[in-house]
Amino acid sequence: DVKVTQSSRYLVKRTGEKVFLECVQDMDHENMFWYRQDPGLGLRLIYFSYDVKMKEKGDIPEGYSVSREKKERFSLILESASTNQTSMYLCASSLTGLEYNEQFFGPGTRLTVL
Amino acid sequence: DQQVKQNSPSLSVQEGRISILNCDYTNSMFDYFLWYKKYPAEGPTFLISISSIKDKNEDGRFTVFLNKSAKHLSLHIVPSQPGDSAVYFCAARTGANNLFFGTGTRLTVIP
Repeated sequence: DVKVTQSSRYLVKRTGEKVFLECVQDMDHENMFWYRQDPGLGLRLIYFSYDVKMKEKGDIPEGYSVSREKKERFSLILESASTNQTSMYLCASSLTGLEYNEQFFGPGTRLTVL
Repeated sequence: DQQVKQNSPSLSVQEGRISILNCDYTNSMFDYFLWYKKYPAEGPTFLISISSIKDKNEDGRFTVFLNKSAKHLSLHIVPSQPGDSAVYFCAARTGANNLFFGTGTRLTVIP
């Protein structure tokens, strides 16, 4: 079974702090994604990566950056956390190719910024 | 602009009856559609999918219907069970690796 793990289930940070959210997948997937989920807004793509050291902006990249130094690990960084970044953050991974459609999600990190 | 829309934020159904969740999309380039199910405090899990070249796909109690001319798809759950209570997300793909998600519909199955 594909397993996507996220470093924390719950996280509380203060405004202005630098926050790191880590995601690891164990199935050698090329693609990795970071989403945030907010009530009434669904899942919105922040950044994605289709290869090591490669990254692409999603729909809402402002205030975030990412790092992918190894294939299995994709990190989301909040350079200076703000209260409007309080949300559920979901990491996902997938294989490349038209025949591969499913993204596999981690359990999520609920981040609260005070 | 939201390319995938789920206009019903919530739905309540009696156990044993049919649940119908709807999804509309605007991008005619979408070639694959998926439904995900999400329980509280868990990540979404894949449920069922359909290619744009088909109009129906069935997997046990779950059936997805696609109406390309109307840019509409629906998920039917028959019979509905209390364990089906969750948030359901519709998602669509353009041929690249990204998925576009709807806003979700919270299904409550009443015992």
